[in-house]
Amino acid sequence: EPEVTQTPSHQVTQMGQEVILRCVPISNHLYFYWYRQILGQKVEFLVSFYNNEISEKSEIFDDQFSVERPDGSNFTLKIRSTKLEDSAMYFCASSADRGTNQPQHFGDGTRLSIL
Amino acid sequence: AQSVTQLDSQVPVFEEAPVELRCNYSSSVSVYLFWYVQYPNQGLQLLLKYLSGSTLVKGINGFEAEFNKSQTSFHLRKPSVHISDTAEYFCAVRGNAGNMLTFGGGTRLMVKP
Repeated sequence: EPEVTQTPSHQVTQMGQEVILRCVPISNHLYFYWYRQILGQKVEFLVSFYNNEISEKSEIFDDQFSVERPDGSNFTLKIRSTKLEDSAMYFCASSADRGTNQPQHFGDGTRLSIL
Repeated sequence: AQSVTQLDSQVPVFEEAPVELRCNYSSSVSVYLFWYVQYPNQGLQLLLKYLSGSTLVKGINGFEAEFNKSQTSFHLRKPSVHISDTAEYFCAVRGNAGNMLTFGGGTRLMVKP
């Protein structure tokens, strides 16, 4: 079964540095998402992306964050000037389309640790 | 806006016993409901979904859930659990505009021999 793959599985970064989290969505999917889960808290929506532009974003997704689809296969989340509170598990997901019967398929996540 | 409450953070149960994981939601619009499972060190895997039609939906691994609109609930059930069902279970809702999922806090199912 096709999978969403995320790299790296664990990223350790010094506070203030920039980090890029990478995702390869399922190949024929058109919608892409980022979610995060701070330890002990709920999974929270960050952003959705369709047709090379942001479709929706939450209030968490401020100017510190950006997303990009640099080529036909990768989908990236960039976090600038990282803060301690950015430490979390970041999940990428994709869906075939935006229709209501299209489930989101999740990757295994990248654990981001800010020191 | 939607919100999801999973009433139990942990549910211990013996192997082969039945289990129910509770999920309640609030929303001012029609919603679509999902249950995801997360095994240790893995991502979120879709168990089942309710979009419309029959309020009883069946998913993978013998799980089922019932949508109750009057009680705004979507509880997950399994008649007989296995050790391999030990995992974190997340209830999620999606409104009829936009694609974002709103998750509950998760319920850790611990199956004991």
